[in-house]
Amino acid sequence: DTEVTQTPKHLVMGMTNKKSLKCEQHMGHRAMYWYKQKAKKPPELMFVYSYEKLSINESVPSRFSPECPNSSLLNLHLHALQPEDSALYLCASSQGGGMGYGYTFGSGTRLTVV
Amino acid sequence: KNQVEQSPQSLIILEGKNCTLQCNYTVSPFSNLRWYKQDTGRGPVSLTIMTFSENTKSNGRYTATLDADTKQSSLHITASQLSDSASYICVVTPSGAGSYQLTFGKGTKLSVIP
Repeated sequence: DTEVTQTPKHLVMGMTNKKSLKCEQHMGHRAMYWYKQKAKKPPELMFVYSYEKLSINESVPSRFSPECPNSSLLNLHLHALQPEDSALYLCASSQGGGMGYGYTFGSGTRLTVV
Repeated sequence: KNQVEQSPQSLIILEGKNCTLQCNYTVSPFSNLRWYKQDTGRGPVSLTIMTFSENTKSNGRYTATLDADTKQSSLHITASQLSDSASYICVVTPSGAGSYQLTFGKGTKLSVIP
């Protein structure tokens, strides 16, 4: 298995809703990442988990809450989002331990906040 | 500041023709350079990855080159197909403790027309 699987593929949510994005990989990678990508822009790093511990939080608002239940799973919990949070959310994983070997992206969740 | 510059911003070519995309970077210290293909609304898919010592790498109709001395890379697409229409993103990974901090180019939007 050489894939990073993200669910759902599309999500529409209201500003008062609570929802979660899910990411799964079975490549034995020990680093996992969340990115946000707006249209026609490169991805922006949000969070990095290394060996199931949050190692990087790029000053992301608290309405985004990451969780890493185990080495294969990464969640992003969403609450009280704003319309400007509408974007493509990408999960990625790599072998960890530096060098970013095997860096693989998921196909993304297209989020629309109404 | 680490930067990746890509040119051209956009390109339109006829089906069956070849094209070359350019990438210049200032990332240092350097670990590897990747070319990704990204369809609209989807996650990036890796085409090639090259380390410092590699000059050329091919993946089917895609051939990437790297000149680590001048910090330049190119992606050559041979016999283009309609399905090659996408954004092509150059991504550079630094070495060392910051290896999770990928530096993305803004991409070249390629349109292949019949």
